[in-house]
Amino acid sequence: GQQVMQIPQYQHVQEGEDFTTYCNSSTTLSNIQWYKQRPGGHPVFLIQLVKSGEVKKQKRLTFQFGEAKKNSSLHITATQTTDVGTYFCAARGSNYQLIWGAGTKLIIKP
Amino acid sequence: GAVVSQHPSWVICKSGTSVKIECRSLDFQATTMFWYRQFPKQSLMLMATSNEGSKATYEQGVEKDKFLINHASLTLSTLTVTSAHPEDSSFYICSARERLAGVHYEQFFGPGTRLTVL
Repeated sequence: GQQVMQIPQYQHVQEGEDFTTYCNSSTTLSNIQWYKQRPGGHPVFLIQLVKSGEVKKQKRLTFQFGEAKKNSSLHITATQTTDVGTYFCAARGSNYQLIWGAGTKLIIKP
Repeated sequence: GAVVSQHPSWVICKSGTSVKIECRSLDFQATTMFWYRQFPKQSLMLMATSNEGSKATYEQGVEKDKFLINHASLTLSTLTVTSAHPEDSSFYICSARERLAGVHYEQFFGPGTRLTVL
């Protein structure tokens, strides 16, 4: 079935450095969503991308949807301690179900 | 990675009927499972937390007699929407938490079940 591969599994950064997580699929995606889950919390919806080549920004967060709609990325500029958590991508499948990436944990080095 | 499945993926039912949704952890034991409800483009709203062998803990505003949760084994939890009404139409997602070494946990999400009540 459809799968979404998300990398890396973990990323350690110094505060102030940038962070990027990538999601890839072998098939075309109708849309892709991004969520953030803080440690001990539950996923918070960040954004949904639908259009080919779409780029959306939310303050320091930049979301991209590839031209072929098979990949997506989330980039955080100048990370802050409040950015710590796990970032998930999820694609909507043909039967409305969500296909989740495995998540990327953002860890800020002390 | 670990896999969480849900069944059915899509269900349409008549108002007044009950619907059961299953959530299974396929290759790990889940001591804790969570049930969420999601409206379009919104965050997952936690409905209840269930621990294997004990009663579920419901979030404020969630009717425990309407949304029955059973977590009978370490790999299966069920959510039954009793006497469903159109306002119960939503996307229901479960997730399972696996306990790793020490106090570390990993949480895995199911693909969701779309419920439409006519």
